Amino acid sequence: SAVISQKPSRDICQRGTSLTIQCQVDSQVTMMFWYRQQPGQSLTLIATANQGSEATYESGFVIDKFPISRPNLTFSTLTVSNMSPEDSSIYLCSVEDDEPEAFFGQGTRLTVV
Amino acid sequence: GQQVMQIPQYQHVQEGEDFTTYCNSSTTLSNIQWYKQRPGGHPVFLIQLVKSGEVKKQKRLTFQFGEAKKNSSLHITATQTTDVGTYFCAVNAGGTSYGKLTFGQGTILTVHP
Repeated sequence: SAVISQKPSRDICQRGTSLTIQCQVDSQVTMMFWYRQQPGQSLTLIATANQGSEATYESGFVIDKFPISRPNLTFSTLTVSNMSPEDSSIYLCSVEDDEPEAFFGQGTRLTVV
Repeated sequence: GQQVMQIPQYQHVQEGEDFTTYCNSSTTLSNIQWYKQRPGGHPVFLIQLVKSGEVKKQKRLTFQFGEAKKNSSLHITATQTTDVGTYFCAVNAGGTSYGKLTFGQGTILTVHP
């Protein structure tokens, strides 16, 4: 099973600024995924990050707001740009392993003030 | 992508009572996964169901996949305080990747000692 290290675990940011979240996996994985979980809500897929190509964004999410990097098979970053209070959420990265399941990082709890 | 509706949104039980959460889809599902998220934690994979009519058990947890592969349930017998958390069903959001998921709304389980 994959072990994922995600940081920061939490942050409080001023509106208009940007935050970059890092996700490190202990093994090489083809696809990494970024999810958002708004307070008290379910998880919503933001994008799929593939190594060597641009991320694929889900409906309602755009690259200008959530730029993603995937420089190698063990690492990805998600940036939340020009933040507003509505961006206050938990952001989670996940990967799939050989087994039919998704492994999640601990999440980044973001508060925008 | 496939969508799934999950009910109930909340469930409060006394310790020792049973608990069930249901997921329903208007379309036939290729498979369905179940996750548990403890308060303040990240989703953790419980199980995947693939076959029509499949029933799987994990100690006090029983998972079922409907005959038409359009609904699924998670039943917990004799709940314990350690069962507290949010239970999500999740289905593939497109393609063959197990990690690209659409989550149900989740059922928040509270267990009173």
